[in-house]
Amino acid sequence: DVKVTQSSRYLVKRTGEKVFLECVQDMDHENMFWYRQDPGLGLRLIYFSYDVKMKEKGDIPEGYSVSREKKERFSLILESASTNQTSMYLCASSYDHDRQNTEAFFGQGTRLTVV
Amino acid sequence: AQSVTQLGSHVSVSEGALVLLRCNYSSSVPPYLFWYVQYPNQGLQLLLKYTSAATLVKGINGFEAEFKKSETIFHLTKPSAHMSDAAEYFCAVSQSAGTALIFGKGTTLSVSS
Repeated sequence: DVKVTQSSRYLVKRTGEKVFLECVQDMDHENMFWYRQDPGLGLRLIYFSYDVKMKEKGDIPEGYSVSREKKERFSLILESASTNQTSMYLCASSYDHDRQNTEAFFGQGTRLTVV
Repeated sequence: AQSVTQLGSHVSVSEGALVLLRCNYSSSVPPYLFWYVQYPNQGLQLLLKYTSAATLVKGINGFEAEFKKSETIFHLTKPSAHMSDAAEYFCAVSQSAGTALIFGKGTTLSVSS
């Protein structure tokens, strides 16, 4: 069974802390993504990566960075957490340019609260 | 540029009634289109996908969607709603296989007995 695993389901952090959200996939996917989900706004793309050590900004990268040192792991970093980063964070992965397997697989999400 | 618009943030139906969730998309290239479902406190699960094969796509749990290029719509339907269908539904588009998905804002489906 395919799996995308996010390290925490719930996190509470203080304003100004550096926060790491970890995501691991076991499907040998080339592509990985980080989204945040907010009520009424749907899912918005933060960063994505189509290869190891490669990263691209999504629609809302401000205040975030990412790291992809290994193919299976994609980390989202909040350099200095702020209350407006309180949200649900979803990691996803997909095959690269496989016309039969085009969909992204999602983790269970991390609900982050910044106080 | 690609975008997705889901018409109606909330849809309420009675058990046994037709479910229709609306999705309009825009894309400069032939799109890949998806419907995902999210149950409370869970991640997203794929319902169905369109990848330029048959225009009528059947998914899990009795859902289906028809790709209509001339109208740029990809509406999700189910003939008879069950209580277990209550969830949030997202339509998404990507410009090539496996690349980043652009999501609509979601539609919450409520099912009453």
